[in-house]
Amino acid sequence: DTGVSQNPRHKITKRGQNVTFRCDPISEHNRLYWYRQTLGQGPEFLTYFQNEAQLEKSRLLSDRFSAERPKGSFSTLEIQRTEQGDSAMYLCASSQGHLYGYTFGSGTRLTVV
Amino acid sequence: KQEVTQIPAALSVPEGENLVLNCSFTDSAIYNLQWFRQDPGKGLTSLLLIQSSQREQTSGRLNASLDKSSGRSTLYIAASQPGDSATYLCAVTGANNLFFGTGTRLTVIP
Repeated sequence: DTGVSQNPRHKITKRGQNVTFRCDPISEHNRLYWYRQTLGQGPEFLTYFQNEAQLEKSRLLSDRFSAERPKGSFSTLEIQRTEQGDSAMYLCASSQGHLYGYTFGSGTRLTVV
Repeated sequence: KQEVTQIPAALSVPEGENLVLNCSFTDSAIYNLQWFRQDPGKGLTSLLLIQSSQREQTSGRLNASLDKSSGRSTLYIAASQPGDSATYLCAVTGANNLFFGTGTRLTVIP
């Protein structure tokens, strides 16, 4: 068990560019979650996968955001045409189910300039 | 929609003091409650998980309690140390999601 791994740790991009983040969950966890956290706030839910199926999406997830989890393993979160308001920490978590705790990764810090 | 509130927003204490962080939530239909620690610019580290049927959990100098009927949880930290300085986040579990408070920023002064 190596924990939840997120890459890259930091990403600086110009406004209008596309970015993609990767999350590798704990291998035996079938649930994977993406959250976004801005300064001074708690994390906000973006989307949730059970195995490869994306079962829930927040209204925060605009049409510029897309997430995938091919084969129920790692997941990617893509942001197209980035805006300065997208600057935040993007956190990934995995879990064995709602009765179990969540394990978070170290996050990807996105800065849009 | 579940709302989670943490009080105080910030707390500064001298080293060695015992302290209590508070968390309240509006919907008592939760599966469990989890306390996390977050260091600046880092991810979340799980401290304690309390199932909805439990009243408390302990780990080392940390003790968390849960009163589901009143929608409250407390995190007790004994004999605080400078290394405890961080933001502490409370989160409650719904069916498919964690709902977070905005955290308590703790500073322990040597």
